[in-house]
Amino acid sequence: DQQVKQNSPSLSVQEGRISILNCDYTNSMFDYFLWYKKYPAEGPTFLISISSIKDKNEDGRFTVFLNKSAKHLSLHIVPSQPGDSAVYFCAAWDGSQGNLIFGKGTKLSVKP
Amino acid sequence: EAGVAQSPRYKIIEKRQSVAFWCNPISGHATLYWYQQILGQGPKLLIQFQNNGVVDDSQLPKDRFSAERLKGVDSTLKIQPAKLEDSAVYLCASSLGGGPSYEQYFGPGTRLTVT
Repeated sequence: DQQVKQNSPSLSVQEGRISILNCDYTNSMFDYFLWYKKYPAEGPTFLISISSIKDKNEDGRFTVFLNKSAKHLSLHIVPSQPGDSAVYFCAAWDGSQGNLIFGKGTKLSVKP
Repeated sequence: EAGVAQSPRYKIIEKRQSVAFWCNPISGHATLYWYQQILGQGPKLLIQFQNNGVVDDSQLPKDRFSAERLKGVDSTLKIQPAKLEDSAVYLCASSLGGGPSYEQYFGPGTRLTVT
């Protein structure tokens, strides 16, 4: 039973436009959320995070929005660049277990 | 700063054989994690060490998987005997401490194929 869901396996966006990646979670006890980016043949790298006491966190071109009532978060990339093409994983911190729960990932393709 | 090192990068074995993976974390990182990533899935935690002690191994199939972190630095993950469903990428990660505020740094992974 997936506790962190990324329902879009892939997303294709034109360079310069906005990319929006979505993530849903089921456990209301999750209180910290992270996005990781993964290139082929490399390990995931941390991108941005948000605590449940906030509803938005911004870092350059990347913004994460959290809607706790809907148990939904999204990652916005503006403007999208070809180098952003990668698999993006949403992860939630399970404080009761002390570990990260990852979604299945969304493959983003940014076309020039 | 050197990243997390893993070896080998690729391994192909037959079912029922044994295999071992090695991880060298970032210097000074007390916490080390082993994840299993099956194709099309996100990483799933297998075991977490704090220095040389096990913090969480609840997801580790202990009948066939074992891991150790002697001296609190390098770690090895072993599978014996391997099954077809063990085919996956095995990722090692390290962080300064446990908890969500400590960034986890991942190695490139070892891709295991069991035939």
